[in-house]
Amino acid sequence: AQSVSQHNHHVILSEAASLELGCNYSYGGTVNLFWYVQYPGQHLQLLLKYFSGDPLVKGIKGFEAEFIKSKFSFNLRKPSVQWSDTAEYFCAVNALPSNAGKSTFGDGTTLTVKP
Amino acid sequence: DTGVSQDPRHKITKRGQNVTFRCDPISEHNRLYWYRQTLGQGPEFLTYFQNEAQLEKSRLLSDRFSAERPKGSFSTLEIQRTEQGDSAMYLCASSASGRYNSPLHFGNGTRLTVT
Repeated sequence: AQSVSQHNHHVILSEAASLELGCNYSYGGTVNLFWYVQYPGQHLQLLLKYFSGDPLVKGIKGFEAEFIKSKFSFNLRKPSVQWSDTAEYFCAVNALPSNAGKSTFGDGTTLTVKP
Repeated sequence: DTGVSQDPRHKITKRGQNVTFRCDPISEHNRLYWYRQTLGQGPEFLTYFQNEAQLEKSRLLSDRFSAERPKGSFSTLEIQRTEQGDSAMYLCASSASGRYNSPLHFGNGTRLTVT
């Protein structure tokens, strides 16, 4: 079974700092990859996704992620964070060829951005 | 898109009681998922439906848990003889089926506390 590892449990940054959150998965086959975000008091929502093609994908609010197949990684980046980016971030993997859409999630990274 | 709704938002129950949660997915989505999330962890897959058919259940779903989606629309998750270890956030998500795994759309969750 696949698993997802998020290296940082809690990250604290000042506004305008650059962000990189690590995500590694264990599965040797084809994957679909996702980052979800949960803002305080809100539900989990999609930040960005990778299905195929260009391994650098862009999402909402200036976030991007790069799929590096050889490293089984899908790290999330943002060049300059804002206070409003304070949230919990989850990486998720769907193992193919299963088309069930069943995602395996990492344990999340809490990002705190200081104004 | 009215989003995924879950009811109730919070449920406090005594050990040994039965509880039932409801999820109303996005109307055009034919897939519905139940996840469980405990503090400090990511969502863990419990079960999923395609239309009214329950296609997969996690080994986390003991025989005290049962889920239904009788008409392929809303779903219920029942926990019988609750235990303190059942305390968690129960998340419902829905997605559209397709060639690629569609992202999940989550509800706000039902927080269960077993005393």
